[in-house]
Amino acid sequence: GQQVMQIPQYQHVQEGEDFTTYCNSSTTLSNIQWYKQRPGGHPVFLIQLVKSGEVKKQKRLTFQFGEAKKNSSLHITATQTTDVGTYFCAQTTSGTYKYIFGTGTRLKVLA
Amino acid sequence: NAGVTQTPKFQVLKTGQSMTLQCAQDMNHEYMSWYRQDPGMGLRLIHYSVGAGITDQGEVPNGYNVSRSTTEDFPLRLLSAAPSQTSVYFCASSYSIMGGSSGYTFGSGTRLTVV
Repeated sequence: GQQVMQIPQYQHVQEGEDFTTYCNSSTTLSNIQWYKQRPGGHPVFLIQLVKSGEVKKQKRLTFQFGEAKKNSSLHITATQTTDVGTYFCAQTTSGTYKYIFGTGTRLKVLA
Repeated sequence: NAGVTQTPKFQVLKTGQSMTLQCAQDMNHEYMSWYRQDPGMGLRLIHYSVGAGITDQGEVPNGYNVSRSTTEDFPLRLLSAAPSQTSVYFCASSYSIMGGSSGYTFGSGTRLTVV
């Protein structure tokens, strides 16, 4: 079936450092969404990307969709302790109605 | 507007017992899904529904049943609980099967332990 891999699996950064997580698919995606899950919480929707090469920004967060629509990235500039959590990408598998999540990247920010 | 409501929040079951995890949404969303989350495993899709009366299997459906008699409710049934079903269960809903511009809205989860 369709695989959605995220790298890295874990990332520890010092507060103020940048952070990037990557989402890679084995097939071309129609769109992709990103979620954040705080420790002990539930996933919360961040953004959707639809167009090839699309770039969207939310304050310190920059989201990018690859030109071939097979990969996406989330970049956080100057991390803060409030950025701690696990970041997931999600997509609908082609030919089905299954909404599948990536493996997630767990971010820890050291003050 | 309560969003997605899951009950109970915590549950301990003995092996072989059955139970139903409840999920209700008040946003008139057509699409609803159940996920389980295990440490280091991310979110795995158990079952999903594209509307009342229509359900289908996800990635890990074995040991679970669902039904969708109304738009609002999507209960998940464990027929004979096993320790391997110890997990955190999330229900989610969306107006679009692909998540759309608002994505999926998640409930706060049910933490289930099977002993």
